[in-house]
Amino acid sequence: NAGVTQTPKFRVLKTGQSMTLLCAQDMNHEYMYWYRQDPGMGLRLIHYSVGEGTTAKGEVPDGYNVSRLKKQNFLLGLESAAPSQTSVYFCASSLGTSEIGELFFGEGSRLTVL
Amino acid sequence: GQNIDQPTEMTATEGAIVQINCTYQTSGFNGLFWYQQHAGEAPTFLSYNVLDGLEEKGRFSSFLSRSKGYSYLLLKELQMKDSASYLCAFQDSNYQLIWGAGTKLIIKP
Repeated sequence: NAGVTQTPKFRVLKTGQSMTLLCAQDMNHEYMYWYRQDPGMGLRLIHYSVGEGTTAKGEVPDGYNVSRLKKQNFLLGLESAAPSQTSVYFCASSLGTSEIGELFFGEGSRLTVL
Repeated sequence: GQNIDQPTEMTATEGAIVQINCTYQTSGFNGLFWYQQHAGEAPTFLSYNVLDGLEEKGRFSSFLSRSKGYSYLLLKELQMKDSASYLCAFQDSNYQLIWGAGTKLIIKP
């Protein structure tokens, strides 16, 4: 059982380039999330999805877009990368936002924007 | 507003006990979570508290006081593999998780 898988694991971009991070989960979870993690800061929610075909903005959505065309996949896109988007990106999924709230995280994608 | 705070770094000795504190402020509260994150890896779930009191899970225990906006994670019989960052997060009225910056725990032999 793979859980949550993110690709790619590492990527270096030049300012202005675009890219897509792919997240796939095989747990049939309804909810999926994209977070970024920066030194000295807590995880910050970028976008999330409560089900196939739906997306919503999180705390820091600017400069990112997402799509959830299939229940198991959640894509994060950067249209024009900026150095401020250098970060470690984590995808997560959960069964719901019930009192359980346990998130299952992918291994992370380390992005560097030069 | 909402905020959450935990110490940046703590050091403890193998075999000892350590308590990691977390304080938070929020108008809506739906639970307090602790996650463990080893360097370069993903966070993994440790515990969840929604009612006041102590929840014990083997060597790890988590405590919550909603009136004080306070939680702690207690780790007993420390092992070298417990060296990691410990992330505190509360779930707000919209069931969104608000994360602390994490406490890096260093275990010395």
